[in-house]
Amino acid sequence: SQQGEEDPQALSIQEGENATMNCSYKTSINNLQWYRQNSGRGLVHLILIRSNEREKHSGRLRVTLDTSKKSSSLLITASRAADTASYFCATDARGDYKLSFGAGTTVTVRA
Amino acid sequence: DTAVSQTPKYLVTQMGNDKSIKCEQNLGHDTMYWYKQDSKKFLKIMFSYNNKELIINETVPNRFSPKSPDKAHLNLHINSLELGDSAVYFCASSQDWTGEMTQYFGPGTRLLVL
Repeated sequence: SQQGEEDPQALSIQEGENATMNCSYKTSINNLQWYRQNSGRGLVHLILIRSNEREKHSGRLRVTLDTSKKSSSLLITASRAADTASYFCATDARGDYKLSFGAGTTVTVRA
Repeated sequence: DTAVSQTPKYLVTQMGNDKSIKCEQNLGHDTMYWYKQDSKKFLKIMFSYNNKELIINETVPNRFSPKSPDKAHLNLHINSLELGDSAVYFCASSQDWTGEMTQYFGPGTRLLVL
Protein backbone atom coordinates (compact mmCIF):
# COMPACT_ATOMS: atom_id res chain seq x y z
CA SER A 1 0.00 0.00 0.00
CA GLN A 2 1.08 3.60 -0.53
CA GLN A 3 3.28 4.79 2.30
CA GLY A 4 3.82 8.49 1.59
CA GLU A 5 1.16 11.12 0.98
CA GLU A 6 2.16 14.53 -0.30
CA ASP A 7 0.32 17.73 0.38
CA PRO A 8 -0.67 19.84 -1.47
CA GLN A 9 -1.33 17.95 -4.68
CA ALA A 10 -0.50 21.06 -6.70
CA LEU A 11 1.20 24.37 -6.00
CA SER A 12 1.58 27.45 -8.20
CA ILE A 13 4.02 30.19 -7.20
CA GLN A 14 5.78 33.20 -8.65
CA GLU A 15 9.46 32.99 -9.52
CA GLY A 16 11.53 34.02 -6.51
CA GLU A 17 8.98 32.81 -3.96
CA ASN A 18 9.49 29.81 -1.70
CA ALA A 19 7.64 26.53 -2.22
CA THR A 20 6.81 24.21 0.66
CA MET A 21 5.35 20.75 0.36
CA ASN A 22 4.68 18.12 2.97
CA CYS A 23 4.80 14.36 3.15
CA SER A 24 3.14 12.13 5.72
CA TYR A 25 3.79 8.44 6.14
CA LYS A 26 2.42 5.59 8.19
CA THR A 27 5.14 3.30 9.58
CA SER A 28 8.60 3.59 11.12
CA ILE A 29 11.25 4.37 8.57
CA ASN A 30 15.00 4.09 8.07
CA ASN A 31 15.12 7.18 5.89
CA LEU A 32 13.02 9.45 3.73
CA GLN A 33 14.00 10.70 0.31
CA TRP A 34 12.74 13.41 -2.00
CA TYR A 35 12.78 13.08 -5.77
CA ARG A 36 11.96 15.47 -8.62
CA GLN A 37 10.32 14.48 -11.88
CA ASN A 38 10.29 16.89 -14.79
CA SER A 39 7.55 16.39 -17.35
CA GLY A 40 8.18 13.33 -19.49
CA ARG A 41 11.33 12.35 -17.59
CA GLY A 42 12.47 9.89 -14.96
CA LEU A 43 12.78 10.73 -11.29
CA VAL A 44 15.92 12.40 -9.99
CA HIS A 45 17.08 12.00 -6.40
CA LEU A 46 17.28 15.31 -4.54
CA ILE A 47 18.02 14.61 -0.90
CA LEU A 48 17.92 11.87 1.73
CA ILE A 49 17.26 12.40 5.42
CA ARG A 50 17.86 9.62 7.93
CA SER A 51 15.42 8.81 10.71
CA ASN A 52 17.82 10.20 13.34
CA GLU A 53 18.17 13.55 11.53
CA ARG A 54 15.79 16.47 11.90
CA GLU A 55 16.88 18.84 9.18
CA LYS A 56 19.06 18.76 6.11
CA HIS A 57 20.08 21.32 3.50
CA SER A 58 21.26 21.01 -0.07
CA GLY A 59 21.65 24.22 -2.04
CA ARG A 60 18.20 25.86 -2.16
CA LEU A 61 16.53 22.79 -0.67
CA ARG A 62 15.72 22.33 2.99
CA VAL A 63 14.18 19.13 4.29
CA THR A 64 12.81 18.53 7.77
CA LEU A 65 11.75 15.26 9.35
CA ASP A 66 9.52 14.82 12.38
CA THR A 67 9.37 11.12 13.19
CA SER A 68 6.95 11.69 16.09
CA LYS A 69 4.43 13.10 13.61
CA LYS A 70 5.57 10.84 10.79
CA SER A 71 5.95 13.80 8.49
CA SER A 72 8.53 15.60 6.38
CA SER A 73 8.61 18.88 4.53
CA LEU A 74 10.57 20.05 1.51
CA LEU A 75 11.24 23.76 1.12
CA ILE A 76 12.56 25.17 -2.13
CA THR A 77 13.79 28.72 -1.63
CA ALA A 78 13.99 31.45 -4.28
CA SER A 79 12.21 29.29 -6.84
CA ARG A 80 13.07 29.38 -10.52
CA ALA A 81 11.13 28.39 -13.63
CA ALA A 82 13.38 25.32 -13.86
CA ASP A 83 11.97 24.11 -10.52
CA THR A 84 8.65 23.42 -12.28
CA ALA A 85 8.23 19.68 -11.76
CA SER A 86 6.52 17.05 -9.64
CA TYR A 87 8.11 16.30 -6.29
CA PHE A 88 7.81 12.92 -4.60
CA CYS A 89 8.68 11.71 -1.16
CA ALA A 90 9.77 8.11 -0.79
CA THR A 91 10.08 6.17 2.43
CA ASP A 92 12.22 3.21 3.27
CA ALA A 93 10.17 1.42 5.90
CA ARG A 94 12.06 -0.74 8.34
CA GLY A 95 12.31 -4.33 7.15
CA ASP A 96 10.73 -3.51 3.82
CA TYR A 97 13.79 -3.27 1.52
CA LYS A 98 11.94 -1.10 -0.98
CA LEU A 99 10.96 2.52 -1.42
CA SER A 100 7.31 3.51 -1.27
CA PHE A 101 6.44 6.67 -3.16
CA GLY A 102 3.64 9.12 -2.65
CA ALA A 103 1.56 10.55 -5.49
CA GLY A 104 3.61 13.73 -5.64
CA THR A 105 3.16 17.49 -5.49
CA THR A 106 3.10 19.27 -8.83
CA VAL A 107 4.86 22.61 -8.58
CA THR A 108 4.47 25.30 -11.23
CA VAL A 109 6.77 28.31 -11.04
CA ARG A 110 5.43 31.29 -13.01
CA ALA A 111 7.92 33.68 -14.57
CA ASP B 1 26.88 8.93 -20.61
CA THR B 2 23.43 7.73 -19.69
CA ALA B 3 23.45 6.03 -16.29
CA VAL B 4 20.19 4.08 -16.63
CA SER B 5 18.81 3.60 -20.12
CA GLN B 6 15.59 2.01 -21.32
CA THR B 7 14.35 0.97 -24.73
CA PRO B 8 12.02 1.65 -26.31
CA LYS B 9 10.96 5.10 -25.14
CA TYR B 10 7.49 4.71 -26.62
CA LEU B 11 5.51 1.55 -27.26
CA VAL B 12 2.08 1.49 -28.90
CA THR B 13 0.54 -1.92 -29.36
CA GLN B 14 -2.71 -3.83 -29.61
CA MET B 15 -4.41 -5.72 -26.81
CA GLY B 16 -3.29 -9.31 -26.61
CA ASN B 17 0.20 -8.71 -27.99
CA ASP B 18 3.44 -9.59 -26.18
CA LYS B 19 6.12 -6.91 -25.72
CA SER B 20 9.46 -6.43 -23.99
CA ILE B 21 11.17 -3.43 -22.45
CA LYS B 22 14.92 -3.43 -21.91
CA CYS B 23 16.92 -1.68 -19.21
CA GLU B 24 20.64 -1.26 -18.70
CA GLN B 25 22.65 0.56 -16.03
CA ASN B 26 26.32 1.45 -16.22
CA LEU B 27 26.66 2.56 -12.59
CA GLY B 28 28.00 -0.73 -11.30
CA HIS B 29 24.98 -1.08 -9.02
CA ASP B 30 23.88 -4.43 -7.63
CA THR B 31 20.15 -3.78 -7.47
CA MET B 32 17.65 -2.95 -10.21
CA TYR B 33 13.93 -2.23 -10.13
CA TRP B 34 10.87 -1.95 -12.30
CA TYR B 35 8.19 0.61 -11.41
CA LYS B 36 4.83 1.38 -12.99
CA GLN B 37 3.57 4.98 -12.98
CA ASP B 38 -0.12 5.41 -13.68
CA SER B 39 -1.93 8.39 -15.16
CA LYS B 40 -2.22 9.98 -11.70
CA LYS B 41 1.58 9.80 -11.35
CA PHE B 42 1.38 7.20 -8.59
CA LEU B 43 4.60 5.18 -8.73
CA LYS B 44 4.40 1.55 -7.67
CA ILE B 45 7.22 -0.93 -7.42
CA MET B 46 6.76 -4.13 -9.41
CA PHE B 47 10.02 -6.06 -9.06
CA SER B 48 13.51 -5.74 -7.74
CA TYR B 49 16.57 -7.84 -8.48
CA ASN B 50 19.85 -7.96 -6.63
CA ASN B 51 22.79 -9.38 -8.57
CA LYS B 52 20.43 -11.25 -10.92
CA GLU B 53 18.34 -12.70 -8.06
CA LEU B 54 14.68 -11.76 -7.56
CA ILE B 55 14.23 -9.87 -4.27
CA ILE B 56 10.82 -8.27 -4.53
CA ASN B 57 7.84 -9.44 -6.51
CA GLU B 58 4.86 -7.27 -5.69
CA THR B 59 1.32 -8.29 -6.51
CA VAL B 60 1.85 -8.20 -10.24
CA PRO B 61 -0.04 -10.40 -12.73
CA ASN B 62 2.11 -13.28 -13.92
CA ARG B 63 1.76 -11.89 -17.45
CA PHE B 64 4.70 -9.72 -16.36
CA SER B 65 8.00 -11.59 -16.28
CA PRO B 66 11.27 -9.86 -15.46
CA LYS B 67 14.60 -11.29 -16.55
CA SER B 68 18.05 -10.30 -15.41
CA PRO B 69 20.78 -11.83 -17.60
CA ASP B 70 23.44 -10.02 -15.55
CA LYS B 71 23.46 -7.39 -12.83
CA ALA B 72 23.64 -4.54 -15.35
CA HIS B 73 20.49 -5.54 -17.20
CA LEU B 74 16.88 -6.04 -16.16
CA ASN B 75 14.31 -6.64 -18.87
CA LEU B 76 10.53 -6.79 -18.57
CA HIS B 77 8.42 -9.02 -20.76
CA ILE B 78 4.66 -8.58 -20.81
CA ASN B 79 2.36 -11.23 -22.28
CA SER B 80 -1.20 -10.76 -23.48
CA LEU B 81 -1.24 -7.00 -23.01
CA GLU B 82 -4.41 -5.45 -21.57
CA LEU B 83 -5.77 -1.90 -21.72
CA GLY B 84 -4.96 -1.45 -18.03
CA ASP B 85 -1.28 -2.04 -18.71
CA SER B 86 -1.08 1.38 -20.34
CA ALA B 87 1.29 3.39 -18.16
CA VAL B 88 4.85 4.63 -17.94
CA TYR B 89 7.31 1.95 -16.85
CA PHE B 90 10.50 3.05 -15.14
CA CYS B 91 13.61 1.08 -14.54
CA ALA B 92 15.85 2.15 -11.66
CA SER B 93 19.00 0.99 -9.92
CA SER B 94 20.61 1.42 -6.52
CA GLN B 95 23.97 0.49 -5.01
CA ASP B 96 22.36 -2.33 -3.06
CA TRP B 97 19.01 -3.36 -1.58
CA THR B 98 19.70 -3.15 2.13
CA GLY B 99 21.38 0.23 2.41
CA GLU B 100 19.96 3.67 1.82
CA MET B 101 18.63 2.65 -1.60
CA THR B 102 19.10 6.01 -3.29
CA GLN B 103 17.70 5.21 -6.69
CA TYR B 104 18.69 6.27 -10.18
CA PHE B 105 15.87 6.20 -12.70
CA GLY B 106 15.78 5.64 -16.42
CA PRO B 107 13.81 7.97 -18.71
CA GLY B 108 10.75 5.71 -18.78
CA THR B 109 8.91 3.69 -21.42
CA ARG B 110 5.48 5.02 -22.32
CA LEU B 111 3.27 2.04 -23.10
CA LEU B 112 -0.09 2.53 -24.77
CA VAL B 113 -2.29 -0.51 -25.31
CA LEU B 114 -5.09 -0.01 -27.83
